[in-house]
Amino acid sequence: EAQVTQNPRYLITVTGKKLTVTCSQNMNHEYMSWYRQDPGLGLRQIYYSMNVEVTDKGDVPEGYKVSRKEKRNFPLILESPSPNQTSLYFCASSSRGLRQPQHFGDGTRLSIL
Amino acid sequence: LAKTTQPISMDSYEGQEVNITCSHNNIATNDYITWYQQFPSQGPRFIIQGYKTKVTNEVASLFIPADRKSSTLSLPRVSLSDTAVYYCLVLSGNTPLVFGKGTRLSVIA
Repeated sequence: EAQVTQNPRYLITVTGKKLTVTCSQNMNHEYMSWYRQDPGLGLRQIYYSMNVEVTDKGDVPEGYKVSRKEKRNFPLILESPSPNQTSLYFCASSSRGLRQPQHFGDGTRLSIL
Repeated sequence: LAKTTQPISMDSYEGQEVNITCSHNNIATNDYITWYQQFPSQGPRFIIQGYKTKVTNEVASLFIPADRKSSTLSLPRVSLSDTAVYYCLVLSGNTPLVFGKGTRLSVIA
C-alpha cells in the first residue's frame, strides 16, 4: 500500500532534549516536505527536499533540521526543542515537486514541556 | 503569491450538492488551483486540481471561470463522511504550499 509513515505518532518530551521524527515513503517520490499545523495558523511548511541531498527552507525553518540521505526517508530533527515547537507535524511526499498531489502522513503530535 | 479566500464554514444536509467557492484575485498565468480535504487528526488528502474551465474526477468537480480569479469545488450528494475541512490552494512554481484556514464543512443527517 502506498503510504507516508511517520514515527512516533505522539511524543511528550522536555525542553532541550534532542528528538527526531522519522518520515518514510514507499512511492519512490522525489519531493518530500515537512509541515506544522497550529490552531488558527493552518499548515506551514518547515523544510522541503526536491531530491536526495537537496533540501531547502520553507516558511518556518527556525529550530529545525532535516536530512535527505536516501530517497525514501526525510527525518525532521529538533536539536534543542522548545515549548513553541509544540504542534502537530505532517510529512508529505509527491512524485515531482509541488505541482503533483501531495501525499501526507497521519501526523505526529509533539508536546514540548 | 496568490492569496486565497474561502468561507470559514458551511453546513449541508446529506444528499445535497455542496459548492465551496474560493477567490484568488491575484493568481498568476502559470498558477494552478488545487483542493485538499482534511479530517481531524489526519493529514490533508488531495482532492482535485485544475488550471481552467472544468475538471471532474470520481470525488468532485472543479469549476474555474475564464478570468481564473475564483474557483468552485463541487461535491455531489454529500454524506456524513464528507464532514471535513476543505482547503483551496494556488500552486505557484515551487513556492511553499500555503494552507489557509480552509472551509469547515459540516454534513447533517
